[in-house]
Amino acid sequence: EPEVTQTPSHQVTQMGQEVILRCVPISNHLYFYWYRQILGQKVEFLVSFYNNEISEKSEIFDDQFSVERPDGSNFTLKIRSTKLEDSAMYFCASSEGGVGAFFGQGTRLTVV
Amino acid sequence: AQRVTQPEKLLSVFKGAPVELKCNYSYSGSPELFWYVQYSRQRLQLLLRHISRESIKGFTADLNKGETSFHLKKPFAQEEDSAMYYCALSGQGGGNKLVFGAGTILRVKS
Repeated sequence: EPEVTQTPSHQVTQMGQEVILRCVPISNHLYFYWYRQILGQKVEFLVSFYNNEISEKSEIFDDQFSVERPDGSNFTLKIRSTKLEDSAMYFCASSEGGVGAFFGQGTRLTVV
Repeated sequence: AQRVTQPEKLLSVFKGAPVELKCNYSYSGSPELFWYVQYSRQRLQLLLRHISRESIKGFTADLNKGETSFHLKKPFAQEEDSAMYYCALSGQGGGNKLVFGAGTILRVKS
């Protein structure tokens, strides 16, 4: 069964550094998403991406964040200058549209 | 505003007992409702969607628009059902974001 895959599984970075989280969505899916979950809190929507552009973003997704689909398979989330409060589990997801999204296993980002 | 409420952080039941995980929602249109499950150290997995009206692993959920609820039920809990369960909603139509509840930990004791 096809799966969404994310790399790395765990990333530790120093405050102020840039990080790129990578995702390979399911190949025939059209919609791509990033969510995050701060420890002990809800899973929160960050951004959705369709047809090579952002279709919706949350208030969390400020200028520090960007997404890209650099080729036909990868979908990346970049955080330009990480802050301590960016420490969270980041989930990538993809969907065909309207049938529920399929999630990756997550990347745990720790900012020190 | 879109909101999903799961009032119980933890639900602990004995094996063979019935299970009901509560979910209430607030949405100003016709939402699509989902249940996701996360077993220990695994990814979020789609368990049920209301539009399919299916039963997966013995679980069912009925959308009650009058009560704005989408409770997850199973008549006889099994130990392997122990996991975190998230209720989520999205707007109708393709590609809409999911709004999650806080999740309920289901613990099935032997």
